[in-house]
Amino acid sequence: VLTQSPGTLSLSPGERATLSCRASQTVNANYLAWFQQKPGQAPRLLIYDSSTRATGIPDRFSGSGSGTDFTLTISRLEPEDFAVYYCQQFGGLSFTFGQGTRLEIK
Amino acid sequence: EVQLVESGGGLVQPGRSLRLSCTASGFTFGDYAMTWFRQVPGKGLEWVGFIKSNSYGGTAEYAASAKGRFTISRDDSKSIAYLQMSSLRTDDTAVYYCSRDPRIAGRPPFDYWGQGTLVTVSS
Repeated sequence: VLTQSPGTLSLSPGERATLSCRASQTVNANYLAWFQQKPGQAPRLLIYDSSTRATGIPDRFSGSGSGTDFTLTISRLEPEDFAVYYCQQFGGLSFTFGQGTRLEIK
Repeated sequence: EVQLVESGGGLVQPGRSLRLSCTASGFTFGDYAMTWFRQVPGKGLEWVGFIKSNSYGGTAEYAASAKGRFTISRDDSKSIAYLQMSSLRTDDTAVYYCSRDPRIAGRPPFDYWGQGTLVTVSS
């Protein structure tokens, strides 16, 4: 089970966002990914292997963590960053998502 | 350009069957595992299942909610992955997405997704 916190994060453009994802068991080989989803769109891969940015993802997005605790940090929020963020793990035979963190404009 | 296009969604009655297709282009389809996800409108993402590439046996794994009712297959000659859904229930109502996964260490999984196809199960 992946538990994301907070459920909703209210911040202003230019601020720093810190999103947490906690696993109930050690994540397999640090397979931990982060996705961004905007209304009416498919999810977009941001981070994989817990800290590797996907192609085309701005460097204001960074991932960190290991074991059971992982963090997605957005260093300085841009207006287009307000969306829902999901973490995902691979358990060997199955994938699991966190319930999501909604990042909203304050 | 990599593209994934889902099709086959629509309104179906409970207990009936439906087959979704995921048509791929712009990459070597046979090199990738293909995965199906779903999302109830307004809710979170759920993994449905995947099928490995034939190089890795072409076997499929399923979420508990899909096991025994859903079957994932692939036709590498047509670059299509299928999700055959049977004994559909109202709680299967969701947008269904397909995505690719290279299953190679260091390569990004799920870097491309389809636009999704809506399945509504209702009488």
